[in-house]
This record gives sequence, structure tokens and C-alpha cells, in this order.
Amino acid sequence: EVQLVQSGAEVKKPGESLKISCKGSGYSFSTYWIGWVRQMPGKGLEWMGIIYPGDSDTRYSPSFQGQVTISADKSISTAYLQWSSLKASDTAMYYCARASDLLTGYYSEFDYWGQGTLVTVSS
Amino acid sequence: DIQMTQSPSSLSASVGDRVTFTCRASQSISSFLNWYQQKPGKAPKLLISSASTLRSGVPSRFSGSGSGTDFTLTISSLQPEDFATYYCQQSYSTLTFGQGTRLEIK
Repeated sequence: EVQLVQSGAEVKKPGESLKISCKGSGYSFSTYWIGWVRQMPGKGLEWMGIIYPGDSDTRYSPSFQGQVTISADKSISTAYLQWSSLKASDTAMYYCARASDLLTGYYSEFDYWGQGTLVTVSS
Repeated sequence: DIQMTQSPSSLSASVGDRVTFTCRASQSISSFLNWYQQKPGKAPKLLISSASTLRSGVPSRFSGSGSGTDFTLTISSLQPEDFATYYCQQSYSTLTFGQGTRLEIK
């Protein structure tokens, strides 16, 4: 059974750093893309970026480039999303999701999703 | 970046109604269009990929159509469990989402 299990909720102060995780199981982690999606309170879904754990090829949405870092450790089937200096506006639910590799340099739809990690940034 | 626009932003309907959601891309995306359903407090669920391919386990009352820039998601006969928010997403380049359509009970 394919599963993506995310790390637990976090409460942080502005300026602090944070790294959240997404562990895949039940499939070949290295051969599927893992994407990250933000959902601010009461708002819609925003694609942040995506990584191919097999070779760490990483793409970012222009809206999130330079704001976050996406990484992966294929040896432990885990992808990460990290911030170096959080802002109150980073308060949101963050989802990881799996996408197939289309062998065209791009990826397919998100077929499996993690349960989400709630990040709250408040002084 | 390709922009995705959904309409309407919200919709009220009754059990048994036929409803249609629309999604428009800012440029042609061929059939690289996906539809998701999200219920409050839950992760999104993939309903339809490649504009019209119903995913395994998704009821046949859901259907998708379109290509190029204009796409639709139709629910043929609304069930109580269908009241949720629906998002389209292009996977032609990057993975932009539309802003969502909230389906509410009339």
C-alpha cells in the first residue's frame, strides 16, 4: 500500500528555522516525484515545488523560489521542506504528494497525498 | 506561468442535481488537466486525470471533458458525500491549481 506519512504539527516563532518531512512507503521512492503544496487557512491549494529523489532534480514555483528549500534522502525514502527564517505568513497546512515521472522532463498528477503538516508561526 | 481559472467560485445545489464545474487555462495544456476533491480537514483526493480518466474507486457519476484551454467536471447526480471543494490542476508544465469551486448544499 502506497503511503506518504508527514511529520507532526509545528508551532514556531518568526525568524526560526524549520524542516518538515514526508516519508514514502509501499513503492519505489526514487522513481516518483514528490511535490509540496501549501494551503493557507481558508484558502486554496498552491503548488510550491517538486523533487525527483532519484537524482534530486528540483523545480520551484516562481512564487516560492528562494523562500523554501526542498530536498530528499532516497536512502530513507524521505522528502523535506525547509525554511531558514519563518514568517507569520508561512502559517498554513503543508501537504506532500506523489507524482509519476513522464519521461519527458515533467510529471503527472498527484495520485497519493500525505496527511498534511500544520505549521503555525506566531510570536 | 500557466494560470488556471475556475468558475463559479461557489455553487449551491441539492442532492440529485446535475452540476458542472468549469476550468480554463491561460494557454493550451492539451489534456494535461486533473481534478481533485477536498473535504474540510482532509487532504485532496484525485478524481480525474488527463482531463477525462476516472481514477480507480471514483464513482461513475463523476466525469471530465475538454482539451486545450477549456475543461469541465460534471457530477451527474449529487450525493450527500459530494459536497466539498473541487480543484483543477494543470500538469502540462509545473502543477498550477485553480482557485477552487466550493459546492454547498442548497
